[in-house]
Amino acid sequence: AQSVTQPDIHITVSEGASLELRCNYSYGATPYLFWYVQSPGQGLQLLLKYFSGDTLVQGIKGFEAEFKRSQSSFNLRKPSVHWSDAAEYFCAVSNQAGTALIFGKGTTLSVSS
Amino acid sequence: SAVISQKPSRDICQRGTSLTIQCQVDSQVTMMFWYRQQPGQSLTLIATANQGSEATYESGFVIDKFPISRPNLTFSTLTVSNMSPEDSSIYLCSVVGLASGADTQYFGPGTRLTVL
Repeated sequence: AQSVTQPDIHITVSEGASLELRCNYSYGATPYLFWYVQSPGQGLQLLLKYFSGDTLVQGIKGFEAEFKRSQSSFNLRKPSVHWSDAAEYFCAVSNQAGTALIFGKGTTLSVSS
Repeated sequence: SAVISQKPSRDICQRGTSLTIQCQVDSQVTMMFWYRQQPGQSLTLIATANQGSEATYESGFVIDKFPISRPNLTFSTLTVSNMSPEDSSIYLCSVVGLASGADTQYFGPGTRLTVL
């Protein structure tokens, strides 16, 4: 069965510092991978997705993620964090485009000044 | 871009009652899903809302507890029946098939339900 692991429950980063959020997945074939962000009291917003092709994908708000098949990982990065990036980040996987998602437990990002 | 709305945005209900949540999209979509996010937890799929036929439920979720309708390609409802405090969660609908991403799920703002 598919699964998604986000090892870090809570991360605190200083404003302006770089960020990497980890995501590992378990799936036999090539997965469809997503990162979503949920700000307090808000729904989920899509940051970026990977289906195939270039393993480094660019998303909104200056985020990027790299798909590494050998490590079964899809880590999210941002070179310089802003206070407004404080939120809950979810990694998700599906086995086909447009089908139901399996989510990781999420990582809470706090940004310190 | 397409707009996904949910009603109500939040509600406080008494145990034993039922609440129907609406999800409306301003354009036709191919797929609609309902998820539950319990306090401090991740999202769990409840069911796939199928247009014109019975919803497809995930393990642990049953139609008697969470009846779902999808009468057309832009609208779906989820009812939480005979509620208990354990049903307190955020309920989110998601859609696939928007022009902005035909193979990507986009989420509504969610309905925050508190059961007393």
